[in-house]
Order: sequence, then C-alpha cells, then structure tokens
Amino acid sequence: DVKVTQSSRYLVKRTGEKVFLECVQDMDHENMFWYRQDPGLGLRLIYFSYDVKMKEKGDIPEGYSVSREKKERFSLILESASTNQTSMYLCASKIHSRGPYEQYFGPGTRLTVT
Amino acid sequence: AQKITQTQPGMFVQEKEAVTLDCTYDTSDQSYGLFWYKQPSSGEMIFLIYQGSYDEQNATEGRYSLNFQKARKSANLVISASQLGDSAMYFCAMREEDTGRRALTFGSGTRLQVQP
Repeated sequence: DVKVTQSSRYLVKRTGEKVFLECVQDMDHENMFWYRQDPGLGLRLIYFSYDVKMKEKGDIPEGYSVSREKKERFSLILESASTNQTSMYLCASKIHSRGPYEQYFGPGTRLTVT
Repeated sequence: AQKITQTQPGMFVQEKEAVTLDCTYDTSDQSYGLFWYKQPSSGEMIFLIYQGSYDEQNATEGRYSLNFQKARKSANLVISASQLGDSAMYFCAMREEDTGRRALTFGSGTRLQVQP
C-alpha cells in the first residue's frame, strides 16, 4: 500500500526558531512536493524535487528551503520561523511520468508559530 | 488570472441527492490533466478522479463523475447519491503537461456538507 508519512501531525514553534519538517515515501517516486494549505487559498506549492539533490522553487518559496539527500526523504526547512508561516504543510509524491498519475499526500503537519 | 477557480466556498446537499461542484481552469497548454481531491476533517487528501485534456469521454469512478467541457474550460465534479461521509472539502487541481510543471495547481476548495 502506498504510503507518505510526515514526521509530526502537530508542531508548535517559537518565532525565530529553525524548523524541520520531514517527509518519507515508500513508493520509489522520483517527484516529491511541499505545499502549504491556508483557508480560502487552497494548496500552494512551496518547493518540489524531481530527483535526489535536485529541487525547484514553487510559487511561494520565500522563507523556506528544502533538502533531498535520499530518494525517499524530502525535508522542508524554515530557517527562521515567523508567525505568517503558521499553516498546514502537506507533502506529496508522484512517479516521474506524464499522464494520469496522481500525487499521493501525507497526512499533513499543522504548524503553529508563536 | 487564477489558474483554477472554484466559485462555491460552501455547498449543502441532502443525503441521497446528487450535487455538482464547479471548477473552471485557465491554461494555454494543449496537454493537461484535471484532478479532484477530497479532504475530510481528518486532513488527508484523497484522490477521486482524473480527466486528461485529450480524453473524449467524461471520467467516472463509482459515484463520482467529471463533467468535462473543454471549450468552456470547466471540469465540474458530480457526486451522485450523496452520503453523510461525503461531507468534506473538495479541491479541483490541474497539471499542465506542456510546460513540464510537475506539480498540481489547486483551487481554493469547496466545503460540502451532506445533511440527513
């Protein structure tokens, strides 16, 4: 069974802290994604990775960085957390091919920055 | 311009009735895919249905069907015989294949509430 896991369901951090959100998939997918979800805005792409050590900025990369040292693991890093990064963060993965291949999502991490 | 527009922030439907959730999209790509996801209150995103831009038939998956009108750039989700468990957020999303954008672009979502 397909599985994407995220390290925490809920996280509370203080302003200025460095925050790591971890995502692991067991499907040998090449593509991995980080989205944030905010009410009324849907899901917005922060970063994605199409291979180990390869990454591209999404639509809202400011304030975030990512790391992909192994194929199965994609980390999102908030270098200095701010209150406007309070949100739900969703990781997803997908095989590389074009066509009718959906993204598989993790359960999400609800991050609160105080 | 918004790539994906869902104009219904919230919808109510009676149990056992059909409901249509609207989605319009904007792209200049010839090849693209349209997806619908369901997000229950637990938060996980559940894939429901896919429609490719070159698919001539409307996609169907059980009680879900996608009413694809290419000229109007609309991809409405139809849920037949609503059940209480259908209460959730529903997101329409698009992947533009020509531009090579691998990620999905999502709409703002519609919250569906099924009433007994």
